[in-house]
Amino acid sequence: SQTIHQWPATLVQPVGSPLSLECTVEGTSNPNLYWYRQAAGRGLQLLFYSVGIGQISSEVPQNLSASRPQDRQFILSSKKLLLSDSGFYLCAWRTGQGGETQYFGPGTRLLVL
Amino acid sequence: GEDVEQSLFLSVREGDSSVINCTYTDSSSTYLYWYKQEPGAGLQLLTYIFSNMDMKQDQRLTVLLNKKDKHLSLRIADTQTGDSAIYFCAEPADTGRRALTFGSGTRLQVQP
Repeated sequence: SQTIHQWPATLVQPVGSPLSLECTVEGTSNPNLYWYRQAAGRGLQLLFYSVGIGQISSEVPQNLSASRPQDRQFILSSKKLLLSDSGFYLCAWRTGQGGETQYFGPGTRLLVL
Repeated sequence: GEDVEQSLFLSVREGDSSVINCTYTDSSSTYLYWYKQEPGAGLQLLTYIFSNMDMKQDQRLTVLLNKKDKHLSLRIADTQTGDSAIYFCAEPADTGRRALTFGSGTRLQVQP
């Protein structure tokens, strides 16, 4: 069966510090991968998606970036965090073979102080 | 454009039925989804309905789809305190992104 992992679960970082959040998927090959952000009390905003290694599409211009160094690894990064980057970051995957259903990881809660 | 709308809050008593409503805009959506998010957790796929169906029932859950009005609802029978969560409606975004567009979520509060 497929599983999706995210770490860390919780992170507190000062403004201006770098960020690296990791997401890995097990039990599937060539998945489509997604990063969403959920601000407090709000819905999900799609940040990045990837259909393959090294292929990243950005949805929202901002100081975040994403990379996919391996088939089942998706990384969200920032060189300098802003207060507005605080939120709950969710990674999701879906099969690359035409299915639409997305499956979500447990999320990382980021607080920028 | 894509826009999925939901009411923000619903409060029911334990044992009652809950009905969470959603409106969507993309008439070409093939599947429509309901996800559940418990406090501090990720989103859990609850159920989905294919666009050629009007209704889907799965134990205590009933999904109704009105394609004419682009209205989707989720009914939870015999609501329990464990059903307290945020429920998100979602539809596929344009096929180029292969992503989902989510509503803002409905917070369901179940009172004992």
